[in-house]
Order: sequence, then structure tokens, then C-alpha cells
Amino acid sequence: TQLLEQSPQFLSIQEGENLTVYCNSSSVFSSLQWYRQEPGEGPVLLVTVVTGGEVKKLKRLTFQFGDARKDSSLHITAAQPGDTGLYLCAPQNRDDKIIFGKGTRLHILP
Amino acid sequence: EAGVVQSPRYKIIEKKQPVAFWCNPISGHNTLYWYLQNLGQGPELLIRYENEEAVDDSQLPKDRFSAERLKGVDSTLKIQPAELGDSAVYLCASSFRGAPGEQFFGPGTRLTVL
Repeated sequence: TQLLEQSPQFLSIQEGENLTVYCNSSSVFSSLQWYRQEPGEGPVLLVTVVTGGEVKKLKRLTFQFGDARKDSSLHITAAQPGDTGLYLCAPQNRDDKIIFGKGTRLHILP
Repeated sequence: EAGVVQSPRYKIIEKKQPVAFWCNPISGHNTLYWYLQNLGQGPELLIRYENEEAVDDSQLPKDRFSAERLKGVDSTLKIQPAELGDSAVYLCASSFRGAPGEQFFGPGTRLTVL
């Protein structure tokens, strides 16, 4: 059984601040996705990373896949209230199974 | 283009009653997933279909849960009988190909078992 941890579980910060959330595991993954989920809705894909060390940017969001493909981070610059939501990492292992972490619940205060 | 459609959005039943959820995936998506999401948790896969074939149902509690996707398009997930611990959001997702393609999620069905 692979262990997947997202940290922190909860984060509440002021608008304009920067933040980083993490997704860590002891297993190596073939790829990893980040989703954002808002209340009453299903998760929506933000990004897929495939290569170890890969960095992808989506406006104010920067995603990094660890060199060993066991971990990933999501950095948000100048957070805005619209960034509020549950951020889920979803790595895929070598038998094509995708698992979801428990998520980081982010709240941006105006 | 219509997204993944799920119905009902909310369902309240008493324990030991049966319940069914329906999902219509995005047109052309051959992969369909059912997930269970408890409050404060991430989605947990129950079953994955490739067309009409269930390719991963290892996490489906088969004593009370069943699912079907007879024509490889829409799908039904059933619980019979429901237990208090089944209260959760049931999410359906579809993708054009299997992982690591993008999964498109429906809004979910929130089930409350009293």
C-alpha cells in the first residue's frame, strides 16, 4: 500500500500572500495531476506533470514534480479569494491506477 | 459541450433502503469512473470502466454495491441495502482515454443515509 500525504491539510491566508502546498509519497509515480475542487462541484484538472524535475506554470500557480517523481509542490503567488478551494494531488502509478490525496483546503481571506 | 451529468444531486434515504445513482459521461469518452468522497477527504475510486468492461472494481464493496454500463455510455451505481456509513458524495468522471488523461467530473450526488 502506497502512502500519499498532502500538507498542510488546511491553510488560511490573507489575499496577496504566497503559499506552497505539498504532495509526498514513498512511491515513484509515472505522472501526477493536480485538481482543484470547489464546494458542491467535482474536481477540475489544473495540470499534469510527467517528467522528474518538471516545472509548469499556470498564471500565478507553479507546479513542480520532484526529480525522483515521488513528490510534487504547488506554489501560488499573490493568492486571491478565487483561489479558495480543495487542492488534490492525484499521482498515477505504473499500473495506470490514479489515487487521490486527502487534499489541502485553502481559504484566502479578502 | 455538455459536461458529465449526474442525477440526482441529492438523495436522503433511511438505512436498509436501496438507492441508485445515474451518470451520463461526456460524449465520446470511453472511460468512466465512479468515486466516493467523504467529507474532508479526496475521492476514492470505486470502479473504472473501459467502454462496457469493468477493468478495476477492486475497491467496490460487492456485497452491497453494484454498477453497470451496459451500452458503454451511461452508467448506474446501486447500493442495496444502504448503511449509515454510506453517507458521502458519489462522483462520476469520464475521460477520452484511460489514465493519465484528464478526468472530467460531474457535480456528484450527495447521499444522506438516516
